[in-house]
Amino acid sequence: DAGVTQSPTHLIKTRGQQVTLRCSPKSGHDTVSWYQQALGQGPQFIFQYYEEEERQRGNFPDRFSGHQFPNYSSELNVNALLLGDSALYLCASSLDRRNTIYFGEGSWLTVV
Amino acid sequence: AQTVTQSQPEMSVQEAETVTLSCTYDTSESDYYLFWYKQPPSRQMILVIRQEAYKQQNATENRFSVNFQKAAKSFSLKISDSQLGDAAMYFCAYIPYSGGGADGLTFGKGTHLIIQP
Repeated sequence: DAGVTQSPTHLIKTRGQQVTLRCSPKSGHDTVSWYQQALGQGPQFIFQYYEEEERQRGNFPDRFSGHQFPNYSSELNVNALLLGDSALYLCASSLDRRNTIYFGEGSWLTVV
Repeated sequence: AQTVTQSQPEMSVQEAETVTLSCTYDTSESDYYLFWYKQPPSRQMILVIRQEAYKQQNATENRFSVNFQKAAKSFSLKISDSQLGDAAMYFCAYIPYSGGGADGLTFGKGTHLIIQP
């Protein structure tokens, strides 16, 4: 049973560019959430997708957007990258939104 | 807004001994879930234990147990018989039951656990 998978694992982007991160949820899970974890901090909730709709958003600007596909996989897009966007981006999935939340290994984004 | 506080940035324990990690939280909700996650150097967040607020019984998973004090809004993690593989960052997290879980997890800043052989 594959867990939550994310790609790419590492990437480097230039300030002002755009990036897309991808996530496949754990088998059978229908809810995907994205988190940003800066170095030395706990993860911060970006947003959650359920039934292909954004259900809730944390305190992140509109430069952060996402999408959920019919197969429940998800993408996180960040436009106009800033140096401060450098972080580990974690994808998490769950069944029915209230159940146990499982995390992927994350995508390391470095903005230079 | 909910907040989660972990007051111990770092803890150190001898192998085979017991260690307790502290967590307090602030919420106006009556129903919620609390979690402890472990994040080793690989950075993957691994679920250690989960507690439903409506359950009075403290959750236990093998060597890991919690002391859940709802009135005090305290949720500590006890690790018995510490092993070298327990070394990691430990995060306490909260999610309200209301809203269908759409609010996402609120995490503390973490406690770095060091296991000394």
